[in-house]
Amino acid sequence: AQTVTQSQPEMSVQEAETVTLSCTYDTSENNYYLFWYKQPPSRQMILVIRQEAYKQQNATENRFSVNFQKAAKSFSLKISDSQLGDTAMYFCAFVLIQGAQKLVFGQGTRLTINP
Amino acid sequence: KAGVTQTPRYLIKTRGQQVTLSCSPISGHRSVSWYQQTPGQGLQFLFEYFSETQRNKGNFPGRFSGRQFSNSRSEMNVSTLELGDSALYLCASSLAGTENNSPLHFGNGTRLTVT
Repeated sequence: AQTVTQSQPEMSVQEAETVTLSCTYDTSENNYYLFWYKQPPSRQMILVIRQEAYKQQNATENRFSVNFQKAAKSFSLKISDSQLGDTAMYFCAFVLIQGAQKLVFGQGTRLTINP
Repeated sequence: KAGVTQTPRYLIKTRGQQVTLSCSPISGHRSVSWYQQTPGQGLQFLFEYFSETQRNKGNFPGRFSGRQFSNSRSEMNVSTLELGDSALYLCASSLAGTENNSPLHFGNGTRLTVT
């Protein structure tokens, strides 16, 4: 069974700072995707970034980037130049490429960006 | 393109009653998944439907059921409600066929309160 662990329940930074959210996962499979989702108070889960496990290059989406360490089973999210609108719950998630379309989520990190 | 639409947004039911939640996926998406989100258990997979067939089911009792219609719209039913069923129920759709290479797009969820 796959598990995802986010060890930081809460984080708080000042606007414009850089923040890194941690995520580790456990699987015996080799082909999978990893995601970071954001859930603001509106409740909608929004995809932030996706990483294919077979790609060595770390994914980047504007101010968001990941540090994917496959051997260490680590998948951290870095938010640069943080903005007030980045305040949300952030969830790390995992899905196998083949098989159940079933995301396994971490417990989430509540990120607050202070003005 | 319209996003994933879930109705209703809020529901209040009493123990023992049953409830039906509705989800309309993004046009063209044939896979619909349901997740339960609670503060204690986090996000847990309920089930996934693809082309009107349940492909996968999470570890929930038989009181939780669902179905998918020919237009890909999905409903989730919970019978004999218990206090512990109080949660945010999230629906997600994707283009995923045999490979999970398409990210999930989530709706705003239905907040169910059981009293």
